[in-house]
Amino acid sequence: DGGITQSPKYLFRKEGQNVTLSCEQNLNHDAMYWYRQDPGQGLRLIYYSQIVNDFQKGDIAEGYSVSREKKESFPLTVTSAQKNPTAFYLCASSIAAGLGVTNEKLFFGSGTQLSVL
Amino acid sequence: AQTVTQSQPEMSVQEAETVTLSCTYDTSESDYYLFWYKQPPSRQMILVIRQEAYKQQNATENRFSVNFQKAAKSFSLKISDSQLGDAAMYFCAYRSAGSGNTPLVFGKGTRLSVIA
Repeated sequence: DGGITQSPKYLFRKEGQNVTLSCEQNLNHDAMYWYRQDPGQGLRLIYYSQIVNDFQKGDIAEGYSVSREKKESFPLTVTSAQKNPTAFYLCASSIAAGLGVTNEKLFFGSGTQLSVL
Repeated sequence: AQTVTQSQPEMSVQEAETVTLSCTYDTSESDYYLFWYKQPPSRQMILVIRQEAYKQQNATENRFSVNFQKAAKSFSLKISDSQLGDAAMYFCAYRSAGSGNTPLVFGKGTRLSVIA
């Protein structure tokens, strides 16, 4: 079945440590996104990528980094510069425009809960 | 930049009754999409309903319908015959309809409780 896989489901970070959240999709989607969810804050955009080897900062990119070396993969690294990393992280993807299909829907993974030890 | 506002942090409804969740948005664009996503306790995001701004007809999906008022920039969700499984966080979201893949902009959500 096609879909988006996020791993791990739960992740713990020690102070000063970088951690990487995995996001893989087999939907052949061009665009991928990372959102952060905090209680009462909704979903806030961290980074997104419209095509391989290209990505743009979202509203809260500070303390995070991404790469997009393959179409299927969009890992998110939470660096030690992110002082408040505890949150639920959601990855999503969407198909490109102009392919003759509706492109407006985002497909979401099941999320990663990151906590600080 | 576009913004989405959900003014009701929490709502409750009796089982089998009807409830309406509010959403307003701010944009200068004329063509866009609007969505309602449901997030149950599993935290999986589930698309409930979508609306294209150029369509005047309100979208409907079974017990879920929207009241789309483009001039007022309002996009409310009506849930009819509420069921216990409808209890969840509901997020309103906006997406530009330009070429390429623009991200969704989300509201802060409304937590819906269903009372048996």
